[in-house]
Amino acid sequence: AQTVTQSQPEMSVQEAETVTLSCTYDTSESDYYLFWYKQPPSRQMILVIRQEAYKQQNATENRFSVNFQKAAKSFSLKISDSQLGDAAMYFCAYRSADAGNMLTFGGGTRLMVKP
Amino acid sequence: NAGVTQTPKFQVLKTGQSMTLQCAQDMNHNSMYWYRQDPGMGLRLIYYSASEGTTDKGEVPNGYNVSRLNKREFSLRLESAAPSQTSVYFCATSRGRFNEAFFGQGTRLTVV
Repeated sequence: AQTVTQSQPEMSVQEAETVTLSCTYDTSESDYYLFWYKQPPSRQMILVIRQEAYKQQNATENRFSVNFQKAAKSFSLKISDSQLGDAAMYFCAYRSADAGNMLTFGGGTRLMVKP
Repeated sequence: NAGVTQTPKFQVLKTGQSMTLQCAQDMNHNSMYWYRQDPGMGLRLIYYSASEGTTDKGEVPNGYNVSRLNKREFSLRLESAAPSQTSVYFCATSRGRFNEAFFGQGTRLTVV
């Protein structure tokens, strides 16, 4: 079974600065998808960014970008120009392209943004 | 544009009681999921339904049953609630296996 590990339970960043959240995963598959979700205090799960494993180019969505290292099985999220509204729990998630529809989540990283 | 709707949003149960969590989606998605979220453990899959008429166990199915009533609705039943089932429960949908999941707002369940 695949596992997803987020080694940073908590991170903090100064407003307008850049922060990187780490995620590693364990899989023997070559085709899969990776996601970052944001969960603010409202509890709603919001998709931040997605990456297809067959794509070498790192995904980018406005201030959010990823550093996808397939050989190292690493998928970090970089948030640039951090804003107060970025404060939330962030979850990394893995979905296999073969084994059904399971989406496997990491344990989460709580991001605090200091004004 | 409701998306994924879960009811109820909060519930307190006594040990041994039963209840059903309801989930409905208006996104015309084939796949639906039930997750539970516990502190420090992320979200863990309880059951999923790849399409209407099919259901499969996820990572933590014990103590739960599901019903995919039609394409729109996917319910989760606790037959005899236990304190270990105290958690936040999320329903989610996706168009297919390659697509991201869309989540409901969650149900906070406390079993005393």
